[in-house]
Order: sequence, then structure tokens, then C-alpha cells
Amino acid sequence: TQLLEQSPQFLSIQEGENLTVYCNSSSVFSSLQWYRQEPGEGPVLLVTVVTGGEVKKLKRLTFQFGDARKDSSLHITAAQPGDTGLYLCAGADGATNKLIFGTGTLLAVQP
Amino acid sequence: KAGVTQTPRYLIKTRGQQVTLSCSPISGHRSVSWYQQTPGQGLQFLFEYFSETQRNKGNFPGRFSGRQFSNSRSEMNVSTLELGDSALYLCASSQGYEQFFGPGTRLTVL
Repeated sequence: TQLLEQSPQFLSIQEGENLTVYCNSSSVFSSLQWYRQEPGEGPVLLVTVVTGGEVKKLKRLTFQFGDARKDSSLHITAAQPGDTGLYLCAGADGATNKLIFGTGTLLAVQP
Repeated sequence: KAGVTQTPRYLIKTRGQQVTLSCSPISGHRSVSWYQQTPGQGLQFLFEYFSETQRNKGNFPGRFSGRQFSNSRSEMNVSTLELGDSALYLCASSQGYEQFFGPGTRLTVL
């Protein structure tokens, strides 16, 4: 069974701080996606990484795919209250195209 | 392009009843996936439909079923509802490996 473990599970920080969320698995994925979900809404796709070692930047967010395509990280610089939400990573199984979702990281940024 | 739409947004049912949820994908997307999200279990895959055929299935009992129509719209049905079926049910449409989610249907079983 493919599992994606995210850490930390919960994170409460002050506005302006930096943070990193990790997404780890023992399985290899053909691609990995990061989503942010706000209460009562569906997840919104932030980024897709495909190549091992790939780094993508989206304003203050930096995403990295591990060299072996088993893990990923999301780094947020100078967090803002608008970054508050549930962050989910999801790995795509290359054979079935099924998305396996991580356990989630709930981020709260206090003003 | 309009996003993924789901109806209804909220639903309250009692144990033993059945429920049908609807999903309209992004125009041109032929794949529709369904997920159940609960605080304890997170996001769990239910099934995926592509061109009216079920392409993948998660580990849920047979009470959970779905179908897809020729216009790619999809429905999922849950029969004999249990308290544990209370959850946010999310639909996602895709054209490749990226999935785009709807706002979900919040189902409460009393």
C-alpha cells in the first residue's frame, strides 16, 4: 500500500516566519502535486513537480521533488495569514494514474 | 472556463437512507474522480470514471457506487447510509495527471 506521510501535522506560526512542510513515502511517484484547502472548500492545486530534483517557485512558496521521486518539500518564506489552510501533497501512481494523498499539514499563520 | 461544480453543497440524511451526489467536470475533461474526506482518515479515493467506464476503484464497500454520463457528468450514490458516512465528498476532474477539485458536498448522517 502506498502511503504519503506529511510532517508536521499541525503548525501555528507568526506572520513573517518561514516554514517547511515535508511529504515522505517509500514509493516512487511519476509526479507529485501540492494542494491548499480552505475550510468547506475543495483542494486547490498549487503546483505539480515531475522530474526528480526539480525545484519550482511560486512567489513565496518553493517546492522541491526528491531526487528519487519519493519525497517532496514545501517551503514558505515570510508566511502571511492568507497562507492559512490545509496543505496536501499527492503522488501519482505511474501505472494507474491514481492520486495518493498525504495525511495533510494544517497551517495557521497568526497576524 | 467554468470550474468543477458539485450539487448539492450540503445534505442531511438519516441512517438507512440513500443519497445521490452530482458532479459536473470542467468542459473537455473526460476523467472524474471521487474522494471522501474526513478528519480522521483524510482524503480517500473512492473511484474514477473515464468515458463512462470505471477506471479505478478504492477500498470502499459496495454501498458506494458511481456512474458517468456521455457528457462526462458524474454521480455517486451511497445506499443504506451509516453514521460513519458523514464526510465531505469531493469530485475532481482531470485531463492529464493534474486534478481540479470542486467545492464538495458536505453530507451529514444523523
